[in-house]
Amino acid sequence: EAGVAQSPRYKIIEKRQSVAFWCNPISGHATLYWYQQILGQGPKLLIQFQNNGVVDDSQLPKDRFSAERLKGVDSTLKIQPAKLEDSAVYLCASSPGLPQTQYFGPGTRLLVL
Amino acid sequence: AQTVTQSQPEMSVQEAETVTLSCTYDTSENNYYLFWYKQPPSRQMILVIRQEAYKQQNATENRFSVNFQKAAKSFSLKISDSQLGDTAMYFCAFTNYGGSQGNLIFGKGTKLSVKP
Repeated sequence: EAGVAQSPRYKIIEKRQSVAFWCNPISGHATLYWYQQILGQGPKLLIQFQNNGVVDDSQLPKDRFSAERLKGVDSTLKIQPAKLEDSAVYLCASSPGLPQTQYFGPGTRLLVL
Repeated sequence: AQTVTQSQPEMSVQEAETVTLSCTYDTSENNYYLFWYKQPPSRQMILVIRQEAYKQQNATENRFSVNFQKAAKSFSLKISDSQLGDTAMYFCAFTNYGGSQGNLIFGKGTKLSVKP
């Protein structure tokens, strides 16, 4: 069974630029999560989708971050414009339902200069 | 607010020895799940072990076992016969059972180094 796929693996941008991350969850997993992991900390939830609907986006900085889940499968997370403090690893996870074990992708490491 | 605390930022252990990582959590819920995830250097996070709060029996997975003390809100991870491949960040995490939200609340992690 293929795991959670993410791309790109690494991205370096300058502040005020925009960036997008892509996630493909495990086939059949209804729930998809985006987490932000700042160096030295545990991951923090940004947004949770159930199929193609948003369940929780209370910690998403909506003035600069946006996310969508097309047709309840793939998802993209966008940052526009990026700030220095957005430098982090962005993790995508999926699970078959609630509450279930979450399976993580390899993450996208973002560096904002 | 629900919180997870890992009080040991770093630990080290000799290969083949046993080590215990500590975790405490705070919640007013009665039904929930607890997890230990492992994140090797520059590699993805993988599940080590999972415990349902309604189960009194402690979960075990090969060399990994937990000591779940619900009243004390404590959830420690014991790694027996440590191997070099166990070197990683270990995160304790919590999620509620039920409802529509299943996000994990993580601790800050414990960096474990296994020395030859």
